[in-house]
Amino acid sequence: ETGVTQTPRHLVMGMTNKKSLKCEQHLGHNAMYWYKQSAKKPLELMFVYNFKEQTENNSVPSRFSPECPNSSHLFLHLHTLQPEDSALYLCASSSGGNEQFFGPGTRLTVL
Amino acid sequence: GIQVEQSPPDLILQEGANSTLRCNFSDSVNNLQWFHQNPWGQLINLFYIPSGTKQNGRLSATTVATERYSLLYISSSQTTDSGVYFCAVRFSGNTPLVFGKGTRLSVIA
Repeated sequence: ETGVTQTPRHLVMGMTNKKSLKCEQHLGHNAMYWYKQSAKKPLELMFVYNFKEQTENNSVPSRFSPECPNSSHLFLHLHTLQPEDSALYLCASSSGGNEQFFGPGTRLTVL
Repeated sequence: GIQVEQSPPDLILQEGANSTLRCNFSDSVNNLQWFHQNPWGQLINLFYIPSGTKQNGRLSATTVATERYSLLYISSSQTTDSGVYFCAVRFSGNTPLVFGKGTRLSVIA
């Protein structure tokens, strides 16, 4: 596969569930990002990782827990989410400050 | 503060028409990208254009960095051009991209 992939593409979960979103980039990049896009709203940056180290956390609630085991993989662990967390979650990668590429997103619904 | 402003917020075009989308930014940039978000949510890279002019088929973009704006031109629009167009800039070094609020384009047959 090429580019940035995300799984699952769609996810429905209850407020007491624990689930994880996965992102993988095949571009040799060193930086990876998680964004949240709620309906009719702009993209919100959540987390940034550079060379596996977290360099940005935009005041994200602790019910969202990122993990970056290597430069190619990024996870977002979800637990005890709220209905207002329903959104499109987008992963992206870049090589430093150069062109950034996005995955297709995971559409999350919290019941 | 650091800002990225896009105009117009909404645009409706008849198929075949041309359009210009604008992105103004508040400071000097070392990265500017235009994206098209399709109805399924995927952000598709259109241009990486911190300065100068580029063309790709019916689309072209120009960034005048000294005057802090970028323009995206869409010619002979098609219904598949519908979606939201985002401008995003990186103001310095390795800082994250800052996104504008987007222009929602609807092309009708």
